[in-house]
Amino acid sequence: GENVEQHPSTLSVQEGDSAVIKCTYSDSASNYFPWYKQELGKRPQLIIDIRSNVGEKKDQRIAVTLNKTAKHFSLHITETQPEDSAVYFCAASSSIFTGGGNKLTFGTGTQLKVEL
Amino acid sequence: GAVVSQHPSRVICKSGTSVKIECRSLDFQATTMFWYRQFPKKSLMLMATSNEGSKATYEQGVEKDKFLINHASLTLSTLTVTSAHPEDSSFYICSARTSGSIVQYFGPGTRLTVT
Repeated sequence: GENVEQHPSTLSVQEGDSAVIKCTYSDSASNYFPWYKQELGKRPQLIIDIRSNVGEKKDQRIAVTLNKTAKHFSLHITETQPEDSAVYFCAASSSIFTGGGNKLTFGTGTQLKVEL
Repeated sequence: GAVVSQHPSRVICKSGTSVKIECRSLDFQATTMFWYRQFPKKSLMLMATSNEGSKATYEQGVEKDKFLINHASLTLSTLTVTSAHPEDSSFYICSARTSGSIVQYFGPGTRLTVT
C-alpha cells in the first residue's frame, strides 16, 4: 500500500517568512495530492491540491509543487501570518477514474508555528 | 457548499456500552464516506470506506464487528463502537465525497471518551 512521509514534524518561522513542508510517497499509481490544515480539535480543511498531470499549482500565498519522478511534493506558504499556525497534513491517493480506491493516505503532519 | 456534519461532537460512555456517531453530508449526495481515527498529535488513520447501499470495506487491523458502519442513504453514514473500552477513546472523523469527485470533505469530528 501507499506510504507517505512528511518533514519536518515541527516548523517555527517568523511572521512574514516562508514555510516549506515536504512529503514523499511510495506508490507510483498515486495521482492526487491534497494538503489539509487542521487547527486543534477542528476538522481538517483542504487548502490546496494537485493532480499528477500538473507540476505546480498556486493559490494566493500557498503553492504546491509535484515531482512525479522523485515521488515528492511540497507545500510552500509565503508571507506567513499568525493565523497560518496549525498542523498541516499532506496526503496521496489514486484516482477513482483509474481504478484506485480514492483512499487518502496521510503524512504524519507538520506543526507550523508562526511567531510574531 | 460541501458541508459535512457529525453528531455528537463529544460523547462520554461507560466501558462495555455502545455508542453511535452520525456523519451527514448537508448539501450534497455522498456516494462514498470514509471513517478515520485520530490520536492526539497524530495523523489520521483510515478505518473504513463506506459506499451507499453496500457493505463497508475495512482497513487491515480494524475489527468490523467492533466498529459497525452503515451507509443507508446518500447523506448519512453511521459508525457504532460496540462494547467500548477505554482504548477506544479517540477523535473519530468522517469525510465524504460525491460520485465523480476525488475531493474529500471532512466532518468536525467526534471526541469519544470511554470511562
